[in-house]
Amino acid sequence: QQQVKQSPQSLIVQKGGISIINCAYENTAFDYFPWYQQFPGKGPALLIAIRPDVSEKKEGRFTISFNKSAKQFSLHIMDSQPGDSATYFCAASRSGSARQLTFGSGTQLTVLP
Amino acid sequence: DAGVTQSPTHLIKTRGQQVTLRCSPKSGHDTVSWYQQALGQGPQFIFQYYEEEERQRGNFPDRFSGHQFPNYSSELNVNALLLGDSALYLCASSLVGGGYEQYFGPGTRLTVT
Repeated sequence: QQQVKQSPQSLIVQKGGISIINCAYENTAFDYFPWYQQFPGKGPALLIAIRPDVSEKKEGRFTISFNKSAKQFSLHIMDSQPGDSATYFCAASRSGSARQLTFGSGTQLTVLP
Repeated sequence: DAGVTQSPTHLIKTRGQQVTLRCSPKSGHDTVSWYQQALGQGPQFIFQYYEEEERQRGNFPDRFSGHQFPNYSSELNVNALLLGDSALYLCASSLVGGGYEQYFGPGTRLTVT
């Protein structure tokens, strides 16, 4: 019940296109869902996060869509740029567990120029 | 505003040896979490330190231990190194009562030969 399943494993998008990465979780106690961006040799950087009391959150070109009933959430990157090429991780946490993050397996995004 | 810093950047050790990794949290943060990221995988939670005590522990053996100092910096110690301990070790800082965000450092790449 602690797993977060992420898909696809890799994604290739043309410059200007929309990148969509999906995650699903089982533990209904999760109440915080962040997305991280990681470049090779670097630590994960917090991109955007959502709580289950809203269905969508947008920050610039990045949008999280959240479906509580389906226990799914997704990251949409609008107008994808070559500089967005990185590995993206979804994660989840809950209260009572010191807010430890449970991560998905990652999606390697390549944006072609 | 200094972000999370980690040292050393890279480390090569031999099986059976012991290693100590260091982390300084983001300015204003009081909590440090450690994660292990194997190549091609998402980070796995090792443990979290708050008020100089281990607050929560993930599914890692007792060979993994830690410490937090009064200035909130932290150390991760791994004894009796195994080849499987080769990974990127990430430190994340947060603030109790300050929100759920965790900010990661650049990591320490440990190679066990």
